[in-house]
Amino acid sequence: DAGVTQSPTHLIKTRGQQVTLRCSPKSGHDTVSWYQQALGQGPQFIFQYYEEEERQRGNFPDRFSGHQFPNYSSELNVNALLLGDSALYLCASSFLSGSSYEQYFGPGTRLTVT
Amino acid sequence: AQSVTQLGSHVSVSEGALVLLRCNYSSSVPPYLFWYVQYPNQGLQLLLKYTSAATLVKGINGFEAEFKKSETSFHLTKPSAHMSDAAEYFCAVSDGETSGSRLTFGEGTQLTVNP
Repeated sequence: DAGVTQSPTHLIKTRGQQVTLRCSPKSGHDTVSWYQQALGQGPQFIFQYYEEEERQRGNFPDRFSGHQFPNYSSELNVNALLLGDSALYLCASSFLSGSSYEQYFGPGTRLTVT
Repeated sequence: AQSVTQLGSHVSVSEGALVLLRCNYSSSVPPYLFWYVQYPNQGLQLLLKYTSAATLVKGINGFEAEFKKSETSFHLTKPSAHMSDAAEYFCAVSDGETSGSRLTFGEGTQLTVNP
């Protein structure tokens, strides 16, 4: 059973560009959450998708947007990249109606903005 | 709003010694609490969780944590450290509203295990 997968592994972009990161949830999961982890810090919640809609959102600007597809996979889009967007972006999946309260994390995408 | 404070950004122990990583939380609702471990260049792996059942929770790799409501704490312990335990550890809290509720993480504690 494949766990949470993310692509690409690493990405280098220039300030002002746009980037799309992808996530496939663990089999049987229907909810995808995205987190940003800056160097030396804990992950910060960006937003969560369920039934193809944004269900919760953290304190991130509108430059950060997302999408969830019918197969539950998800994309994170960041427009007008800033140097401060350089971070590890983590995707987590869960089953919203489940009782385990566990979120499974992918290996992350390392984004470097130059 | 919920928050987590991890006391000590760096903890160093000798192999075989007790591991104690501290976590205090703030929550306006009964919290659900988690400890995750992160190895270099990897994602987060769940060590253990507290979801309002037993206050002493046992996890993987010999780790355990005790939920103390009066102290708003959820400290992580392991009786005997192994070299393989060297990693970054994160405490997290959720409101437990649903299984997918957002997690609020602490800043992390880097554990070093000396031979």
